Amino acid sequence: GQQLNQSPQSMFIQEGEDVSMNCTSSSIFNTWLWYKQDPGEGPVLLIALYKAGELTSNGRLTAQFGITRKDSFLNISASIPSDVGIYFCAGQKNGGNNRKLIWGLGTSLGVNP
Amino acid sequence: GAGVSQSPRYKVAKRGQDVALRCDPISGHVSLFWYQQALGQGPEFLTYFQNEAQLDKSGLPSDRFFAERPEGSVSTLKIQRTQQEDSAVYLCASSLQKGAYSNQPQHFGDGTRLSIL
Repeated sequence: GQQLNQSPQSMFIQEGEDVSMNCTSSSIFNTWLWYKQDPGEGPVLLIALYKAGELTSNGRLTAQFGITRKDSFLNISASIPSDVGIYFCAGQKNGGNNRKLIWGLGTSLGVNP
Repeated sequence: GAGVSQSPRYKVAKRGQDVALRCDPISGHVSLFWYQQALGQGPEFLTYFQNEAQLDKSGLPSDRFFAERPEGSVSTLKIQRTQQEDSAVYLCASSLQKGAYSNQPQHFGDGTRLSIL
């Protein structure tokens, strides 16, 4: 099925560093979401973006909805060990009965204390 | 509880058996979604309900997959004559949808890990 292009695939950083990941698509989405998934658990919503150009923060996390509506990025500042996990972007087109989320392949984040 | 609840957490079945996976959405959530997540991949959409109506089943991979939500609350995903490629984590999500074009985020359960031997 259709997937978003998410990068990097994995990264390993030192505690305290900032990290950035992004997601691109060849088609337009009306909503972008960022989720974090820990092993054996379901995805947990971090940030939801509903408007092109929107910049939203949630604590140390900041995400933006690209102006073209074809991309989004997520920044994590001052990383801590509990930030370890897999981060997924997801896009939603909306309209009629089309409510499904299209997902990236995830960015695996490791943090060295 | 306050979140989406899925059962069982783990299911092992022999190839050819039928399985049924249950999802209890967040109370009051109108919309319910099923996704399939293979190892190392992002989730893939299977089907979507608004109340008891199944409005999108475009992601169901074959006619062996069947989902229902008869009273608009609990949902069951059934897989008949299971095959090894059905092994995956099956995630359920629900959202509070207020209008045709309003967009409430989807909240996920912890999934059912299905292994077909």
